[in-house]
Amino acid sequence: DAGVIQSPRHEVTEMGQEVTLRCKPISGHDYLFWYRQTMMRGLELLIYFNNNVPIDDSGMPEDRFSAKMPNASFSTLKIQPSEPRDSAVYFCASRITSVYTDTQYFGPGTRLTVL
Amino acid sequence: DQQVKQNSPSLSVQEGRISILNCDYTNSMFDYFLWYKKYPAEGPTFLISISSIKDKNEDGRFTVFLNKSAKHLSLHIVPSQPGDSAVYFCAALYRNAGNMLTFGGGTRLMVKP
Repeated sequence: DAGVIQSPRHEVTEMGQEVTLRCKPISGHDYLFWYRQTMMRGLELLIYFNNNVPIDDSGMPEDRFSAKMPNASFSTLKIQPSEPRDSAVYFCASRITSVYTDTQYFGPGTRLTVL
Repeated sequence: DQQVKQNSPSLSVQEGRISILNCDYTNSMFDYFLWYKKYPAEGPTFLISISSIKDKNEDGRFTVFLNKSAKHLSLHIVPSQPGDSAVYFCAALYRNAGNMLTFGGGTRLMVKP
C-alpha cells in the first residue's frame, strides 16, 4: 500500500488567497484525521471523519477553515482567506476500525507558508 | 492545559547505549498510548503502543513501560543506533470518547556514533 498521500508537499501563497490541501487515506481505512503542527502548539487535531462524515471539528481554529470528505478515498482542507499565522505543516492521517489497534497512519504532510 | 507532556525537549545518547524517553499525562481516562517517530520533512511514523491493561510492551529494540498510578510512560531503545535520531512523540487516547489522539510536544533524540 502507498500509505497516506498528501498534496501538495509544499505550498507558498500570499495572504488572502485560498489554499486547498488534499489527502488520500489508506484504502479500506474508515477514519481520516487532519492535524496541524506548529512550533507553538505542537501537533493538534483539527477535525476527523468516520465513514466520510465529520465527527468532531472542535479543533478547527476559525470559520476560515473547512474540510470535506466527498468519498472514502479523498479529503480536502481549505483555508479561505489564508493568513500568515496559518503557516504550519498540515498532516493527514487515517486508521481502520479495529478491536486490536487504534493506530493512526500519517501522511508526509503539507508545509504551508502564507506570506 | 497540556494533557500529555514530554518534559525533555532533547536527549543525546551514545550509540549502543540505552535511550529513555519519558512522557507524563494528566487525564486518568486515557486508556491507550502510542509512540511515534518523526524524521524531518516526513510524517510521524507509528513505533509502538500499549493498552492501559498492560504495563509493558516490547518490540525488538523498543520497549514501552506504563505506570498508571504515576500517569507516566517511557520508551526504552536498546541499543540505540544513529538511525534512531529523530523526534519522538507520545500520544494518548480515551477509546470510549472518540478517536482523538492527544500528542505530547516531542523529544528530539540524537544518537551519536
